[in-house]
Amino acid sequence: AQKITQTQPGMFVQEKEAVTLDCTYDTSDQSYGLFWYKQPSSGEMIFLIYQGSYDEQNATEGRYSLNFQKARKSANLVISASQLGDSAMYFCAMREFGGGADGLTFGKGTHLIIQP
Amino acid sequence: NAGVTQTPKFQVLKTGQSMTLQCAQDMNHNSMYWYRQDPGMGLRLIYYSASEGTTDKGEVPNGYNVSRLNKREFSLRLESAAPSQTSVYFCASRLKVVGNSPLHFGNGTRLTVT
Repeated sequence: AQKITQTQPGMFVQEKEAVTLDCTYDTSDQSYGLFWYKQPSSGEMIFLIYQGSYDEQNATEGRYSLNFQKARKSANLVISASQLGDSAMYFCAMREFGGGADGLTFGKGTHLIIQP
Repeated sequence: NAGVTQTPKFQVLKTGQSMTLQCAQDMNHNSMYWYRQDPGMGLRLIYYSASEGTTDKGEVPNGYNVSRLNKREFSLRLESAAPSQTSVYFCASRLKVVGNSPLHFGNGTRLTVT
């Protein structure tokens, strides 16, 4: 079973609208962290936001926020007031703190295109 | 600030040839990683090194070897390249002592095996 599922392969959104990118995860660990990365067409991986499983508040970083619903095992990324420069691939990833392999497990990504 | 530096940026190999991808970080991070990215597959972990002197297999280690040369450098070697290893390879590092520390990525190496 996939540990990270991103169900939207592609999305088109009008500039200035809010965007929600879906991410669900699967883990039996009680302690874990969820990360979102942006990959523009230039190819680099840019860290956006982090949410820990024990964090009581939803994470926010500027125009990015994370809608964390622990019981549903979802960690959706919300981008407010989208801009043309937000067009990119977006990856959700998880680190399980209970042991096993280090590193992050990534989803397959969502290709977001912001239209003027 | 250089961050994570990967060389080369592009490489074309013939089937059966060998090569080493180089990675160095200047952030004094203790953990380093190699991922591959294929269309529609996201990023998959090949090998990682939690600290200097240790290496461990990730999700897709077959056909690869790694060396953690020192704290700064972590190389990935393809002994006998196959077309299935055509991919974009990313090196990453993080400060392991902090659980929520993100991975910092290099800019990637685009490898084509013909």
